[in-house]
Amino acid sequence: ELKVEQNPLFLSMQEGKNYTIYCNYSTTSDRLYWYRQDPGKSLESLFVLLSNGAVKQEGRLMASLDTKARLSTLHITAAVHDLSATYFCGATDSWGKFQFGAGTQVVVTP
Amino acid sequence: KAGVTQTPRYLIKTRGQQVTLSCSPISGHRSVSWYQQTPGQGLQFLFEYFSETQRNKGNFPGRFSGRQFSNSRSEMNVSTLELGDSALYLCASSLVSGFSYEQYFGPGTRLTVT
Repeated sequence: ELKVEQNPLFLSMQEGKNYTIYCNYSTTSDRLYWYRQDPGKSLESLFVLLSNGAVKQEGRLMASLDTKARLSTLHITAAVHDLSATYFCGATDSWGKFQFGAGTQVVVTP
Repeated sequence: KAGVTQTPRYLIKTRGQQVTLSCSPISGHRSVSWYQQTPGQGLQFLFEYFSETQRNKGNFPGRFSGRQFSNSRSEMNVSTLELGDSALYLCASSLVSGFSYEQYFGPGTRLTVT
């Protein structure tokens, strides 16, 4: 059974500094997804990573995938208040079942 | 382009009742997936439909069922509601099946079971 683990579960960021969220998954999966959820809102798709070594960037966010290590990272550069949200990673197993991580709550303070 | 819509947005039901939630995907999208979000269990995958066929199913009891119509609209039904079914139910649509493409999420239906 596919398990997806995120850490940390809570991240207090200072504006202007860089941080990384880690997403480990337990079985072979070549598809990794990152989502953002604001309080009381739905999910917004950030990145879909489909192959080993994939790297995608959007603004201050950059996601990468290492399928051999079964690890994806979401790197935040020079954090700003607008990035405060909960970030989820997700993966699919070989049967196509989707599994989310527990989420990382990010709070950015001045 | 209109986004994913879900109806109703809020619902209060009593234990033992049944409920039907509706999801209209983005025009042209043929895959619809359903998720349950609770504070305790987080986000859990319920099922995925593509071209009116259930392609994948998560680990939920048979009380949870769904279907997809020829216009790609989808409904999910929960019978014999339990208190633990109180959750935010999210649907997401994508162009094709298999999660290779971005999923676009609807606003969700907040179900409260009393």
